[in-house]
Amino acid sequence: NAGVTQTPKFQVLKTGQSMTLQCAQDMNHEYMSWYRQDPGMGLRLIHYSVGAGITDQGEVPNGYNVSRSTTEDFPLRLLSAAPSQTSVYFCASSRPGAISNTEAFFGQGTRLTVV
Amino acid sequence: DAKTTQPPSMDCAEGRAANLPCNHSTISGNEYVYWYRQIHSQGPQYIIHGLKNNETNEMASLIITEDRKSSTLILPHATLRDTAVYYCIVRGGATNKLIFGTGTLLAVQP
Repeated sequence: NAGVTQTPKFQVLKTGQSMTLQCAQDMNHEYMSWYRQDPGMGLRLIHYSVGAGITDQGEVPNGYNVSRSTTEDFPLRLLSAAPSQTSVYFCASSRPGAISNTEAFFGQGTRLTVV
Repeated sequence: DAKTTQPPSMDCAEGRAANLPCNHSTISGNEYVYWYRQIHSQGPQYIIHGLKNNETNEMASLIITEDRKSSTLILPHATLRDTAVYYCIVRGGATNKLIFGTGTLLAVQP
């Protein structure tokens, strides 16, 4: 099983550029989410989705957009990259069922540098 | 979502049990306690979770106090590969959100 796949693994952007971080899962999970992790810190929730067509903001949503047109994919868009968005980005998904009684699977991360 | 409090770091000798504490004094009745770990900036890995009863799986045991205000993750025979940041998370409600704190850096010493 592929699990949660994030692409690219590494990316360097110039300030003001836009890009999309891709996240795909093949486990038919309804719940997907995006986190960022800055050096020496825990993960912070950016956006999440409880199913296709439904998204909501997390702790640090500013500067990021998401959409969920299919169950499998949950892309994260940076419309105008800023140096403050330099971080490692993780995507996660959870299986359906009892909402609070599920484990989340994480991708291996995208390391983004904005110069 | 209830907040959690963990010590920033702990040491453990290889082969010994590692006991990682977590306080979650504001936990509500329908919230679960989850533990994840992150090894060297990889994606976090699920370890175990529980609601009221103690739980055990192939990786660890989870002991939850009767009042559910604290819990302990036990790695019965720690190895060098268990060196990681361990996150205790309280999770509940309809949104399924996982809110991470800063975790405990467990260093297993040879």
